[in-house]
Amino acid sequence: DIQMTQSPSTVSASVGDRITITCRANKSISSFLAWYQQRPGTAPKLVIYKASTLESGVPSRFSGSGSGTEFTLTISSLQPDDFATYYCQQYNRYSRALTFGGGTKVET
Amino acid sequence: QWRLQESGPGVVKHSGTLSLTCTVSGGSIRDYSYYWGWIRQSPDKGLEWIANIYYTGNTNYNPSLKSRVTISVDTSLNQFSLDLTSVTAADTAVYYCTRPRLGGAPREALDLWGPGTMVTVSS
Repeated sequence: DIQMTQSPSTVSASVGDRITITCRANKSISSFLAWYQQRPGTAPKLVIYKASTLESGVPSRFSGSGSGTEFTLTISSLQPDDFATYYCQQYNRYSRALTFGGGTKVET
Repeated sequence: QWRLQESGPGVVKHSGTLSLTCTVSGGSIRDYSYYWGWIRQSPDKGLEWIANIYYTGNTNYNPSLKSRVTISVDTSLNQFSLDLTSVTAADTAVYYCTRPRLGGAPREALDLWGPGTMVTVSS
């Protein structure tokens, strides 16, 4: 299986801050990378797919970049709704399984 | 508007079988060639993909769980189901049913999730 590693595990930030989360794959996954936001007690919500494409309805302060094995999720100006846990997920067509990173909690 | 809803027992006995059903509403399970799937989440293992299925019955399983998992579909009820045998405490998790963003792809980003159902394995 392709292993996904996120860093940091926790980000302490304030409203208005710019934050970046990193996700690394142990094999190349091209651009088959998604980011999810999860608030406590709810299901993950798709934020970005294909490494850099914003899901419909997601604010433009979210952006993603990267390809191959290294990817980033950036929130340009953190808003109160953005305090949540973020997960990356690879969906490389040749992998045996979908796999997720361990998550990054964005807290105040 | 598409919706997914998980249902099933909240407690399963150790060594027993966990059985869950996902009801699809807002569209037909045959539509758009989706691979309907299951994912679980636990504090120990995080988010873990379990399996997915096409409405014709074509299946994909996580190799780490394949020996214990069966996924099935009932197009007449617009439902798909998960059976996990020989459960242990390690199978205690929130179980989500999912739909991918695109049809025709067994590996894809997931843009629709059910609210999740907590399943506890009791001793």
